[in-house]
Amino acid sequence: AQSVSQHNHHVILSEAASLELGCNYSYGGTVNLFWYVQYPGQHLQLLLKYFSGDPLVKGIKGFEAEFIKSKFSFNLRKPSVQWSDTAEYFCAVAPAGGFKTIFGAGTRLFVKA
Amino acid sequence: GAVVSQHPSRVICKSGTSVKIECRSLDFQATTMFWYRQFPKQSLMLMATSNEGSKATYEQGVEKDKFLINHASLTLSTLTVTSAHPEDSSFYICSATVSGGEDTGELFFGEGSRLTVL
Repeated sequence: AQSVSQHNHHVILSEAASLELGCNYSYGGTVNLFWYVQYPGQHLQLLLKYFSGDPLVKGIKGFEAEFIKSKFSFNLRKPSVQWSDTAEYFCAVAPAGGFKTIFGAGTRLFVKA
Repeated sequence: GAVVSQHPSRVICKSGTSVKIECRSLDFQATTMFWYRQFPKQSLMLMATSNEGSKATYEQGVEKDKFLINHASLTLSTLTVTSAHPEDSSFYICSATVSGGEDTGELFFGEGSRLTVL
């Protein structure tokens, strides 16, 4: 069965620190990978996605993620976080060509000003 | 981006009553919508896939008679929690995909509905 594992439930960083959130998935076939973000009081929204091609994907607000197929990983990174990045981040996986999306448990990021 | 709206955002009901939650795609047509349930500090759990004009597909362990899903039009799906009990208290979130065009797989989410059953 598909599953998604996020390594950290809570992360606290100071502004300008670098961020890396781990995500590993379990699935036997080709997948599409996503990171969604939920800012306080807002809907979940897409941060970035990987379908094919360059395994290093760039998203909005300076975020990027790297797909490492051999490790079944899709870690999210940002070189320098801002206070406004405080949010909950969800890694998600869907089978290629399908929409049934499975989510990780989420990581709450708090950035201290 | 595409907008999905849920209503109500919060609902409190007595045990044994039924509650209906609506999910609307405001500026696009959605042949497929998804209903998720989120427990505190846990992931979004997919409950069912709702297809316009056909029966919903429920995930294993989700009671179809308890959680009735109707997708009567390309812009509206409803989730009815029947004979609600305190253990049904949760945060329910719907999402939709954009029909036609490039298959991006991206989901657009509603704001969620917090159900509290007393």
